[in-house]
Amino acid sequence: TQLLEQSPQFLSIQEGENLTVYCNSSSVFSSLQWYRQEPGEGPVLLVTVVTGGEVKKLKRLTFQFGDARKDSSLHITAAQPGDTGLYLCAVRRITSGTYKYIFGTGTRLKVLA
Amino acid sequence: DAGITQSPRHKVTETGTPVTLRCHQTENHRYMYWYRQDPGHGLRLIHYSYGVKDTDKGEVSDGYSVSRSKTEDFLLTLESATSSQTSVYFCAISESRTSVSASTDTQYFGPGTRLTVL
Repeated sequence: TQLLEQSPQFLSIQEGENLTVYCNSSSVFSSLQWYRQEPGEGPVLLVTVVTGGEVKKLKRLTFQFGDARKDSSLHITAAQPGDTGLYLCAVRRITSGTYKYIFGTGTRLKVLA
Repeated sequence: DAGITQSPRHKVTETGTPVTLRCHQTENHRYMYWYRQDPGHGLRLIHYSYGVKDTDKGEVSDGYSVSRSKTEDFLLTLESATSSQTSVYFCAISESRTSVSASTDTQYFGPGTRLTVL
């Protein structure tokens, strides 16, 4: 069982459309991160949300942390081909005083020109 | 860009052979991580290190071992490779100190190693 479930798993849309992807869990987190991974490269951090209900914007991307800090969403307005990639959510966990990151299953987005 | 390199970038090997992947950083970050990436699974943590000679298991550690003899290098070894270990392997680093809050802690990833076990 994955700690973080992302949906949808795949999404193919036309340029200019809006979309929302989700990251859900039954656990409560102190923070949550979103990464984007382009083909052939490693993931790159987009944003970290830390407060329940928090909304952060990064150009056409809007990130929201759920009020109960169990879930998060990423909304893209007027998607462009450059938004194509794998979107991953992740949480930092502390175990015996050490830090590790757990990633979600990912949403693979393809934006068609 | 964070200074993280992985070697080799591509490797094809046969079942039963030992394989070592290397991750090198120039950022002097305390934490280093090894992940594998497979379709439908996102990134899964194999092992991580929180200092020289300090390592711990992740969620998919069976069949893998690691070593960290220097701050800058983190090695991942497959003692006897199996076809189920065919994957793309990513190394990552982070500061993750108690003085670094979750809002500012960032993982930086290497370019990945594509491993094929025949």
